[in-house]
Amino acid sequence: EPEVTQTPSHQVTQMGQEVILRCVPISNHLYFYWYRQILGQKVEFLVSFYNNEISEKSEIFDDQFSVERPDGSNFTLKIRSTKLEDSAMYFCASSGGFAGELFFGEGSRLTVL
Amino acid sequence: DAKTTQPNSMESNEEEPVHLPCNHSTISGTDYIHWYRQLPSQGPEYVIHGLTSNVNNRMASLAIAEDRKSSTLILHRATLRDAAVYYCIHKSGTYKYIFGTGTRLKVLA
Repeated sequence: EPEVTQTPSHQVTQMGQEVILRCVPISNHLYFYWYRQILGQKVEFLVSFYNNEISEKSEIFDDQFSVERPDGSNFTLKIRSTKLEDSAMYFCASSGGFAGELFFGEGSRLTVL
Repeated sequence: DAKTTQPNSMESNEEEPVHLPCNHSTISGTDYIHWYRQLPSQGPEYVIHGLTSNVNNRMASLAIAEDRKSSTLILHRATLRDAAVYYCIHKSGTYKYIFGTGTRLKVLA
């Protein structure tokens, strides 16, 4: 069964460093998403991406965040200068249709020290 | 943003049916209702979705109220592996799905 894969599974970084989280969505999917979940809290929407541009973003997704689909297969989330409060599990998701189900990856745990 | 309301937690005995309710009074006429679950230490997992009619798949059934302001996820025979947080969501905006706090389902052996 096709799946969304995310790397790294866990990254530890120092505050102020740049981090790139990578996702390989399901190959024929067109809609891509990033969510995050701070430990013990709910899953929060960050951004959606379609047709090579951001479709919607949340208030969390400020200028420190960016997304890219550099090569037609990967979908990346970059945090330019990490803060302690960016420590969370980051989930990538993809969908094949406008109203179709979201397929989530297993997540990348980011720890900012 | 779209708002859904679910009980914080529910308990069920193993092998018994579970009915997980959700209110989504702000849903628009064309938005699908989606249900996801999150097992411990895993990403959210799709369960089922529907628009107006009741839906069945191998995991669960979805009963949607006629006015579409509420729905119920039905697990026909709960197993210990079904212990998870269950979320009902619908689109808020064109390409945005907002998760609420969900219902934590505890399955008792």
